[in-house]
Amino acid sequence: GAVVSQHPSWVICKSGTSVKIECRSLDFQATTMFWYRQFPKQSLMLMATSNEGSKATYEQGVEKDKFLINHASLTLSTLTVTSAHPEDSSFYICSARDSGNPGHGKNIQYFGAGTRLSVL
Amino acid sequence: KQEVTQIPAALSVPEGENLVLNCSFTDSAIYNLQWFRQDPGKGLTSLLLIQSSQREQTSGRLNASLDKSSGRSTLYIAASQPGDSATYLCAVGGGYNTDKLIFGTGTRLQVFP
Repeated sequence: GAVVSQHPSWVICKSGTSVKIECRSLDFQATTMFWYRQFPKQSLMLMATSNEGSKATYEQGVEKDKFLINHASLTLSTLTVTSAHPEDSSFYICSARDSGNPGHGKNIQYFGAGTRLSVL
Repeated sequence: KQEVTQIPAALSVPEGENLVLNCSFTDSAIYNLQWFRQDPGKGLTSLLLIQSSQREQTSGRLNASLDKSSGRSTLYIAASQPGDSATYLCAVGGGYNTDKLIFGTGTRLQVFP
């Protein structure tokens, strides 16, 4: 149980195009999902908290118009990198919290396999 | 602002050795601490979760301890195997009113036959 699917796993795009990454909770409902960014040999940096039915909460320094987040259902959040540039090339990982389990401990997040974005 | 640091940054050992990975955090007001494993180009696999009221957790060859007052956690790996080669990340739960995780810098472990 508690599987998070992230798609695509790898995407190459031209500079200036937009790329959408999907994060799905397959067997549980997630009112809260998280988007992280990871540069090579570095740790995960939280970009934003995605809330179902409301606006995402962005961390300081993350451009909300650059990284559009939509959490339209209890099982799907999307991250769109708009007008991507080479400096946006990175590994993006999503996670989801099981909101259907009231006894679930805080900070328990299930992670997707990540999406490697390469912008040419 | 919470900062999480892991030492060493990289470690290479022969198979069979017992290992200790270290994690330190600057703000002791944490809700819990987790250890994750990340294989190259992959997502994260949760290994152990320690609540702030606990001192340690064990799973198979893994044992994690937590000393909240000193801001430290250790992950002990017994009888290491080549399959243990991965990056190990610790993450602290930032508090009761938040679901956020703050990740450490990671330790890249290589276990050679």
